[in-house]
Amino acid sequence: AQSVTQLGSHVSVSEGALVLLRCNYSSSVPPYLFWYVQYPNQGLQLLLKYTTGATLVKGINGFEAEFKKSETSFHLTKPSAHMSDAAEYFCAVSRANDYKLSFGAGTTVTVRA
Amino acid sequence: DTGVSQNPRHKITKRGQNVTFRCDPISEHNRLYWYRQTLGQGPEFLTYFQNEAQLEKSRLLSDRFSAERPKGSFSTLEIQRTEQGDSAMYLCASSSSGNGYTFGSGTRLTVV
Repeated sequence: AQSVTQLGSHVSVSEGALVLLRCNYSSSVPPYLFWYVQYPNQGLQLLLKYTTGATLVKGINGFEAEFKKSETSFHLTKPSAHMSDAAEYFCAVSRANDYKLSFGAGTTVTVRA
Repeated sequence: DTGVSQNPRHKITKRGQNVTFRCDPISEHNRLYWYRQTLGQGPEFLTYFQNEAQLEKSRLLSDRFSAERPKGSFSTLEIQRTEQGDSAMYLCASSSSGNGYTFGSGTRLTVV
């Protein structure tokens, strides 16, 4: 079985500040890990994913995440928040690149001017 | 590539009525997935198809729910005798082997 825990349901940051969203996973097999962003009343857009290889993964819009097996974590960061980053973010785990996903409950990001 | 298309975008129905949603995947994708997302929660897996074969169904998919993918192209998700607890966003996604997912914009169902 696979599961994801996202720590913090709401994060508020100032524009230009660091964004840090935490994700811990549980998986009985080597995990494939994903971060998605969702804007109101829209579907999910892939930010980045970890499959194999390099543990530091760079994604779109300046986001990156690091896979730490020893900590079972896959935290998402962005050095400088922009107003357009205000959205809901979901971490997900799977056993393959194109198999069913298990999502966390999500973290809502608000950006203060 | 026009993306994954879902119709309708919004559906309001009375309790007890049947509803059907449609998903048109990316044409070259052989896998198609349905998820349900309730307010404030992450999406939950319902079922998936490889071509026309339904390979896995979640326990969330009660007997009132049925999904089909005739000829391995578009898919439909039907909910019979809707209940207020069925109110949610229903998301469809498609993928091909070696590639990740593309999600549609979802169908928001409100049962009144």
